[in-house]
Amino acid sequence: GDSVTQMEGPVTLSEEAFLTINCTYTATGYPSLFWYVQYPGEGLQLLLKATKADDKGSNKGFEATYRKETTSFHLEKGSVQVSDSAVYFCALINAGNMLTFGGGTRLMVKP
Amino acid sequence: DAGVIQSPRHEVTEMGQEVTLRCKPISGHDYLFWYRQTMMRGLELLIYFNNNVPIDDSGMPEDRFSAKMPNASFSTLKIQPSEPRDSAVYFCASSTQGPYEQYFGPGTRLTVT
Repeated sequence: GDSVTQMEGPVTLSEEAFLTINCTYTATGYPSLFWYVQYPGEGLQLLLKATKADDKGSNKGFEATYRKETTSFHLEKGSVQVSDSAVYFCALINAGNMLTFGGGTRLMVKP
Repeated sequence: DAGVIQSPRHEVTEMGQEVTLRCKPISGHDYLFWYRQTMMRGLELLIYFNNNVPIDDSGMPEDRFSAKMPNASFSTLKIQPSEPRDSAVYFCASSTQGPYEQYFGPGTRLTVT
């Protein structure tokens, strides 16, 4: 079946550091890929998405590129802020099925 | 606009008691999803509705769990009887595009002692 694997956290960075959170997936065909963010005490929010190979999703300074050849969708941000501290979930939808989530990666940004 | 509303935000109950979690989806959204989040199992889809009709309940862990959607603006998830292993955060989400573009509520943190 479909699956999503994320790097384990927590990821701890200083403010203004570069962020990469790795995400790889296993799925047949051409899934749509997503990053969700969960701030403390809140529900998940869609951060960005990409629906086909080589598409780049972007939002709030975050980017991720759909790489079919490496089955990856790594999340990046050039300069993180304390307010980016949250749990980030990579997810996919394949063939109209439901969302399949990765385990989540906690990001902690220190001033 | 109001987002997805869930109540209560926190629930503490004793083993064996009945628990009812409530969700009000965003107006106009015709899909509603119930998820459970735990440290051990991550995020799991329990059940989802389309136009108030349950479409897939294969994620409901056992018969102690039931969900209803009597109208387009209200859904409940009931656990009877509750057990300590049901302790988790339960999220409700809604959308107009099936599994795409889901909007999540703030969740209900359930603790069963």
